[in-house]
Amino acid sequence: GDSVTQMEGPVTLSEEAFLTINCTYTATGYPSLFWYVQYPGEGLQLLLKATKADDKGSNKGFEATYRKETTSFHLEKGSVQVSDSAVYFCALSGGGSNYKLTFGKGTLLTVNP
Amino acid sequence: DGGITQSPKYLFRKEGQNVTLSCEQNLNHDAMYWYRQDPGQGLRLIYYSQIVNDFQKGDIAEGYSVSREKKESFPLTVTSAQKNPTAFYLCASSSGRQRDGYTFGSGTRLTVV
Repeated sequence: GDSVTQMEGPVTLSEEAFLTINCTYTATGYPSLFWYVQYPGEGLQLLLKATKADDKGSNKGFEATYRKETTSFHLEKGSVQVSDSAVYFCALSGGGSNYKLTFGKGTLLTVNP
Repeated sequence: DGGITQSPKYLFRKEGQNVTLSCEQNLNHDAMYWYRQDPGQGLRLIYYSQIVNDFQKGDIAEGYSVSREKKESFPLTVTSAQKNPTAFYLCASSSGRQRDGYTFGSGTRLTVV
């Protein structure tokens, strides 16, 4: 079945550091890929997505590229801020079912001033 | 603006009582979902519904029940049979199109006292 493996946290960075959170997936067919962000005490918000190979999703300075050859969708940001502290979830849709997203376990990011 | 509303944000329950969490969406989405999230944990699927008057068990359905009498509404009842109900509950909806992903509510934090 479909699965998502993402980098285990927690990740702690200083402000303005470079961020990478790794995400790899296993799926049949051609899934769509997503990154969600969850701030403390809140629900998940869609951060960015990519729907086909080589697409790059971007939002709020975050980027991720859909790499079919390596089955990866790594999240990157060139300069993190304290306000980026949150839990980040990688997810895929498609493959076996369009109705259910498969989520990774989440990565807690803490950015210190 | 369209969205998904969960209420209440905080809920306290005495042991042995049933409690119902509300989830309403005005996105005209066909599919709706309930997830449970424990501290430092990922998301676990409780129930989902792809269409009115139909729903399926997720990975941890025991001790929970749902109904889907209207497209807009998908309430979750946490019954007294759920042994460890204290958790953060998230509702989500989707159009069912692979590229759209989910829209999440802001969550309900349930505490058993």
